Amino acid sequence: QKEVEQDPGPLSVPEGAIVSLNCTYSNSAFQYFMWYRQYSRKGPELLMYTYSSGNKEDGRFTAQVDKSSKYISLFIRDSQPSDSATYLCAMSATGNTPLVFGKGTRLSVIA
Amino acid sequence: DGGITQSPKYLFRKEGQNVTLSCEQNLNHDAMYWYRQDPGQGLRLIYYSQIVNDFQKGDIAEGYSVSREKKESFPLTVTSAQKNPTAFYLCASSTGPNYGYTFGSGTRLTVV
Repeated sequence: QKEVEQDPGPLSVPEGAIVSLNCTYSNSAFQYFMWYRQYSRKGPELLMYTYSSGNKEDGRFTAQVDKSSKYISLFIRDSQPSDSATYLCAMSATGNTPLVFGKGTRLSVIA
Repeated sequence: DGGITQSPKYLFRKEGQNVTLSCEQNLNHDAMYWYRQDPGQGLRLIYYSQIVNDFQKGDIAEGYSVSREKKESFPLTVTSAQKNPTAFYLCASSTGPNYGYTFGSGTRLTVV
């Protein structure tokens, strides 16, 4: 079992839809959870950052962490064509261990 | 503006050659990382460095080498021992992994 599992998609939704992206993980030591957005041929950019369990909201984006289920989610409300990108989840344990990334989910928002 | 710069953007290598990818940051970050990205594979860690003059192997270090002589610089050499080097290479820096990474714009390496 891989440490971080993420459905690669592709996921195609109409403009204005609510998008749900998910990752599961196996390492119960993970404490820091992040979502990155990567446009084609560009480097990833940090979108959301969450420590431990709970929700975090930033504009149209909401990140949720459920440590009991080892499951994290990113919700995008009122999706826009400019949200079309690959979304990568990433996580790390305490200390200085490097981030472990999911494979990324490719999202297309159709106008 | 602070940031992380990778060069060149595109690189072509002949079979049997070594090539070096540049990564420079002016964010005063202690930690730097190299990832390789292949279609359907996500980001795989090659090497990382948490302090000058020290670095550790990641999951796929074979055929690669790095140095960290300056805080700002973390070059990656793809050696001829790397059997399948064609990929998109990403460099990142951080004050620590728990604070998230800042990525460069990547170098696309192609073997010709």
